[in-house]
Amino acid sequence: KAGVTQTPRYLIKTRGQQVTLSCSPISGHRSVSWYQQTPGQGLQFLFEYFSETQRNKGNFPGRFSGRQFSNSRSEMNVSTLELGDSALYLCASSLVGNTAGNTIYFGEGSWLTVV
Amino acid sequence: DAKTTQPPSMDCAEGRAANLPCNHSTISGNEYVYWYRQIHSQGPQYIIHGLKNNETNEMASLIITEDRKSSTLILPHATLRDTAVYYCIVRVALGNEKLTFGTGTRLTIIP
Repeated sequence: KAGVTQTPRYLIKTRGQQVTLSCSPISGHRSVSWYQQTPGQGLQFLFEYFSETQRNKGNFPGRFSGRQFSNSRSEMNVSTLELGDSALYLCASSLVGNTAGNTIYFGEGSWLTVV
Repeated sequence: DAKTTQPPSMDCAEGRAANLPCNHSTISGNEYVYWYRQIHSQGPQYIIHGLKNNETNEMASLIITEDRKSSTLILPHATLRDTAVYYCIVRVALGNEKLTFGTGTRLTIIP
């Protein structure tokens, strides 16, 4: 069974540009979450999508947005990039509804460098 | 979600058992204890989770105290590949897909 797949793995963007990152969850998983990891702030929750609806959102500016498609695949977008947006962006998926305590699985991440 | 406290770093000799403690004194009755690890530059890897009983899988064992205020992750025979940052997280497992990461424990396996 394939894991969470993120593309691209590495990218470099210029300040002011925008970027779109893609995530394919584990087959059958309907919840997709996004996290940002930086050396200074650690791992921080961005948002979570379930059935194409954003259910939960972290404390990030409106420049960070996302969406989920009917096949559960998700994209996140960052507009007007700033140097501080340089980070590892992680996607995670889970099989919502497992009464035994569902598990969240992470992808390998997308490394974004803003110059 | 309840806050967790972990030591910032630990060392363990290769081949020995690594015991990683976690304090979660404010845990609620419906919150699970989850453990993840992150090897440098990779995504967090799920290790194990539990509610109140001890759990074991192919990677590790999780020991939760009877009052549920603390837990210990045990890697029975540590190898160099177990060098990573280990995160202990408590979370209501239903209706909440958000994980709140602390700073974790940086475990270094010494040859």
